[in-house]
Amino acid sequence: ILNVEQSPQSLHVQEGDSTNFTCSFPSSNFYALHWYRWETAKSPEALFVMTLNGDEKKKGRISATLNTKEGYSYLYIKGSQPEDSATYLCAFRHGANNLFFGTGTRLTVIP
Amino acid sequence: GAVVSQHPSWVICKSGTSVKIECRSLDFQATTMFWYRQFPKQSLMLMATSNEGSKATYEQGVEKDKFLINHASLTLSTLTVTSAHPEDSSFYICSARSTPGEAFFGQGTRLTVV
Repeated sequence: ILNVEQSPQSLHVQEGDSTNFTCSFPSSNFYALHWYRWETAKSPEALFVMTLNGDEKKKGRISATLNTKEGYSYLYIKGSQPEDSATYLCAFRHGANNLFFGTGTRLTVIP
Repeated sequence: GAVVSQHPSWVICKSGTSVKIECRSLDFQATTMFWYRQFPKQSLMLMATSNEGSKATYEQGVEKDKFLINHASLTLSTLTVTSAHPEDSSFYICSARSTPGEAFFGQGTRLTVV
């Protein structure tokens, strides 16, 4: 079992604030790093799949960076909105199939 | 994105009974399906991987005789928790993938064994 850590576990931000959270993963045998957005009672929704060191991906107000050498990825949300409230999961892939998940960061955006 | 439907979303059963959870890919053919389990405040943990028409591959520590996985078609996989006990109470979620491609998740099933 590979250790994938996410921090913080939860955070509350005011609407309009920008925020970021961290995913740490083993730096050896890297294959890909996935970010998911998971709203209560819904399916986890894929946000990004990142494969290259230094990768930076963006989707609307959400972006992510990747550092495979030191084993971390940041997820940024600019100008948070209430609809951004969800749990954000990262998952480390080190082979064809296996995804190792972090415990998630639960974001609450206060209107 | 592709849709994966998991049913039921929650179930309560008596200790000793069996429970079947279904995972269907609605608009694509899923050559591979994954079953995960999540205990409170813990990560999603992979239980098993199944490829259509072949036996599932179970992760270490997961009893294959207790958690029966059937992937008989390209759109349906089932997980049966046999002789369920309270310690099997957990959140179970599937994901499905075509080859090649991203895996898409179902909505999950909350199982409570009383």
